[in-house]
Amino acid sequence: GIQVEQSPPDLILQEGANSTLRCNFSDSVNNLQWFHQNPWGQLINLFYIPSGTKQNGRLSATTVATERYSLLYISSSQTTDSGVYFCVHGSSNTGKLIFGQGTTLQVKP
Amino acid sequence: DTEVTQTPKHLVMGMTNKKSLKCEQHMGHRAMYWYKQKAKKPPELMFVYSYEKLSINESVPSRFSPECPNSSLLNLHLHALQPEDSALYLCASSQARKGEQYFGPGTRLTVT
Repeated sequence: GIQVEQSPPDLILQEGANSTLRCNFSDSVNNLQWFHQNPWGQLINLFYIPSGTKQNGRLSATTVATERYSLLYISSSQTTDSGVYFCVHGSSNTGKLIFGQGTTLQVKP
Repeated sequence: DTEVTQTPKHLVMGMTNKKSLKCEQHMGHRAMYWYKQKAKKPPELMFVYSYEKLSINESVPSRFSPECPNSSLLNLHLHALQPEDSALYLCASSQARKGEQYFGPGTRLTVT
């Protein structure tokens, strides 16, 4: 099955800094989501982005399906951005979600 | 409203107990999911219901028994669990089985 690799695995930022998280896939994708899991365990939908670019406030995401990667940009980071960011591929046949291992982000005040 | 609710938030149970986890959504979604997440790991799919019928069982032990009473509700019945079953249990829903999934806040289960 398709593999989803995320980098970096861990990231520490000072508040106000910008960052880019990357997700690589082993095959073409047609259903891609980015989630933020906060320290209490809630998985929050950030983007549903099988292709193209989307922006939501300080966050934006770009998926280049032909090159099999997606990027999540966080600008002017805040301590509330801390948590784990998952890139997730959804199977077009079964709907099963295949999670990357996640990027753990810590934003320091 | 993109909300999935789960009860209880926390659950502590002994290995001989029977308990149930509940999940509810009112978005008109027709697919619902149970995931299990251990610490420092991504969620792992357990079950998928599509139009109230079980469509995927990821070889989950029979001590976990899912139930979908109607299109808005999903239950997970627990019986004779082991300490290694302690985890965060997440419910999700999507409009169709291949669509964007929305997660509930989870139930943190401890088996003693």
